[in-house]
Formats: sequence, C-alpha cells, structure tokens
Amino acid sequence: DAKTTQPNSMESNEEEPVHLPCNHSTISGTDYIHWYRQLPSQGPEYVIHGLTSNVNNRMASLAIAEDRKSSTLILHRATLRDAAVYYCILRDHGGNKLVFGAGTILRVKS
Amino acid sequence: GAVVSQHPSWVICKSGTSVKIECRSLDFQATTMFWYRQFPKQSLMLMATSNEGSKATYEQGVEKDKFLINHASLTLSTLTVTSAHPEDSSFYICSARDLPGHYNYGYTFGSGTRLTVV
Repeated sequence: DAKTTQPNSMESNEEEPVHLPCNHSTISGTDYIHWYRQLPSQGPEYVIHGLTSNVNNRMASLAIAEDRKSSTLILHRATLRDAAVYYCILRDHGGNKLVFGAGTILRVKS
Repeated sequence: GAVVSQHPSWVICKSGTSVKIECRSLDFQATTMFWYRQFPKQSLMLMATSNEGSKATYEQGVEKDKFLINHASLTLSTLTVTSAHPEDSSFYICSARDLPGHYNYGYTFGSGTRLTVV
C-alpha cells in the first residue's frame, strides 16, 4: 500500500478553518484518498474521499493537488467536537482493506 | 446511513479464558468485514479480513489460532480471543463494507470493544 505522511499534531481555534495536510508522493493512478477521524475511545468515522477532483460534503472539503501527490482536508469552521485524530489513507481501487497510518491529532481551543 | 454494531463495548476477563466479540452490520449486508486492534496512543493495526462463508485472511504476524474469526452470515462476524493474556488487552474495532454497487459501498466502523485481561 502506498504510504501517507501527516503532521503528528495540529492546533486550531474554535470557529476558524483548519487545513490538515497529507503527503502521498508514491500514490498510483488508481489509489483513492480517504479521510477518517477517530474520537477518543470510539471507532473511526468516515469524513470524505476522492480520486482526482476536489470534493465537498457536509463535514469537510478535500482539496487534491493536481499531481495528486498531496491533499488537504479542510474543516471550514472547527468546533470542539472536531477534536480527534485524522487519518489520511490511500486505497487502491481494486484493493479491499484500509491500512491506517499514524494520523494527525487535531486539538481545538475554545 | 450504514451502521455497524459491536458488542460488548467493554469486557474484563481472567487470564487464560476466551472472549468473543461480535460485529453486526445492521442495515446492510457485508461480504467483507475487517478486524483491527489499537493499543493506547497508537494507530489502528489491521489484524484480519473476514470473508463471509470462507476463511479469514490474517495479516502477517497475527496468530490465527489465537484470534479466531467466524463470518457465518452477511451481517455477523465474530472475533474470539482464545486463552487471553494481559498483553492481549487492547481496543478491538471491526469494520464492514457494503456490497459493491450499493449506496453504502464504503467502510463503516463499529464503536470498538475495550478488552482488559487480568
């Protein structure tokens, strides 16, 4: 599985946007970019995923670089409930499993 | 949306006993389920892929005789930790994937099971 690199931790103020980066320089043409987040003592929760184009949903936006070697998860207005570990994961289109990296711990200050 | 129910949410057992954890997809059918283990302050580690009606596929280094997986129906997979020891204490999480072509063709995770072996 192609690997991803994320910062260990980030901090944000409540009500402000947050940009969580992810590098995936070895991404292949068939790899989907998935983002999940995990709140303390809970299972991961789906956030968003994309292949080439930028994606928006009610939770977040995903901006994918033109060369696809990096992507950014955007939380438009961080709340205290967004404090979690955010995982950026690559999954091959024909693959079946999600392999988690270390993720980014997001802290949100009030 | 897709819901995966995991039971129990926490369990304490004595060393040497076995513990069974259930993972159910409530509103969709899952031919494939996944089992993860997570130690404190670490990421999720994939243990095995559970396939309905066939044997599970274990990741390298995971003892298949210790972590028994059964996926007897399209909505239920179980993980049995046999002869548990304190080092097996961990947070176990399951994930299920809807059938190809279905709306929920993604990965939904259970809420996890905290296992403590004393």
